[in-house]
Amino acid sequence: DQQVKQNSPSLSVQEGRISILNCDYTNSMFDYFLWYKKYPAEGPTFLISISSIKDKNEDGRFTVFLNKSAKHLSLHIVPSQPGDSAVYFCAASSTGNQFYFGTGTSLTVIP
Amino acid sequence: EPEVTQTPSHQVTQMGQEVILRCVPISNHLYFYWYRQILGQKVEFLVSFYNNEISEKSEIFDDQFSVERPDGSNFTLKIRSTKLEDSAMYFCASSEWTVGETQYFGPGTRLLVL
Repeated sequence: DQQVKQNSPSLSVQEGRISILNCDYTNSMFDYFLWYKKYPAEGPTFLISISSIKDKNEDGRFTVFLNKSAKHLSLHIVPSQPGDSAVYFCAASSTGNQFYFGTGTSLTVIP
Repeated sequence: EPEVTQTPSHQVTQMGQEVILRCVPISNHLYFYWYRQILGQKVEFLVSFYNNEISEKSEIFDDQFSVERPDGSNFTLKIRSTKLEDSAMYFCASSEWTVGETQYFGPGTRLLVL
């Protein structure tokens, strides 16, 4: 099951710079997309969502971009802070119930 | 801020034994979910539950699994006869509505089957 892919297992960014996390999907029926942040031994924490009727959604330092034709979404964090260091998962769904998760990208923000 | 809670945080069991994982979803939420994450692998959907019925389930959710909302607050996942490969982190989640609504996750129960 490779419906959602995060091809970069890790990313390091200097504090204050932009972090860009990428996610690709294969199922053209996906209409709902979520980004989660996860610390070790904790459950995923919701960050931001987007549905297919939009191509951008912004919440504070977090912006998600959706390119449906390319089946690609990205999460931008600006400015990045050391507390942002975590594993980031994208998840996608066609029904809004069953979400398919990517394998995650481990972000390290260097002070 | 309301949150999803799960008990126990860790469970160790012998192969073939039954386990029940418990969750208390956020109180005004109507949809409930179970996911699991095997060590080093993706978070995988197991089942969604609404109005006392399973609304969607994955291939993983076979006859060994069942879910129940025994009262107004708890949501449980039962594994009837555990296998070694059931060892994973199990996450409960809930959402207020459905169709793309954000699912809020609990901290998880780490299940180890020996």
